Amino acid sequence: QQPVQSPQAVILREGEDAVINCSSSKALYSVHWYRQKHGEAPVFLMILLKGGEQKGHEKISASFNEKKQQSSLYLTASQLSYSGTYFCGTPTSGTYKYIFGTGTRLKVLA
Amino acid sequence: DVKVTQSSRYLVKRTGEKVFLECVQDMDHENMFWYRQDPGLGLRLIYFSYDVKMKEKGDIPEGYSVSREKKERFSLILESASTNQTSMYLCASSRQYNQPQHFGDGTRLSIL
Repeated sequence: QQPVQSPQAVILREGEDAVINCSSSKALYSVHWYRQKHGEAPVFLMILLKGGEQKGHEKISASFNEKKQQSSLYLTASQLSYSGTYFCGTPTSGTYKYIFGTGTRLKVLA
Repeated sequence: DVKVTQSSRYLVKRTGEKVFLECVQDMDHENMFWYRQDPGLGLRLIYFSYDVKMKEKGDIPEGYSVSREKKERFSLILESASTNQTSMYLCASSRQYNQPQHFGDGTRLSIL
């Protein structure tokens, strides 16, 4: 069962903020966030390893709540370059398998 | 920087053909993965490998096979291509299974 992301899609104006959520029905031990721009491959943004941990990358940060089995990605003062599809990804416990979330399409308008 | 190289960006084949998609990584990563990506369906795992000659089925392995004879190379094989296998195929690698993945540029495959 892949993690479910919400919202499925969001449209922003430049400078606005957005939050993307990633929720799992199974325990999460680490969460990775990726961005895929149109016509390109997904690119790794950041990793969250511990419950409650927050990390940042430019004006993009993320949090990880082990207890709630969810992670959130925060995009602050969005730029046109933030447009793309965002995926959370996580290894599955007890196997070598890795699964991606359902994805969130984000479009930033001028 | 990790480099994951897929042999073709675009490929056109006929139904019934045997198709090989090649992927090479240059960072001595243990794990390699094949995904297909279709509009609205996200990234779906076809097969993955955690060691040379080891392979495991992902979520949609039907109609596909893989080969990993060397650590750096992971091949996806469409045994008898069908039109419903027209898709974008992405290869990825990671140092350990619980570490982030690095993707190749993808192969857009069309089966006519």
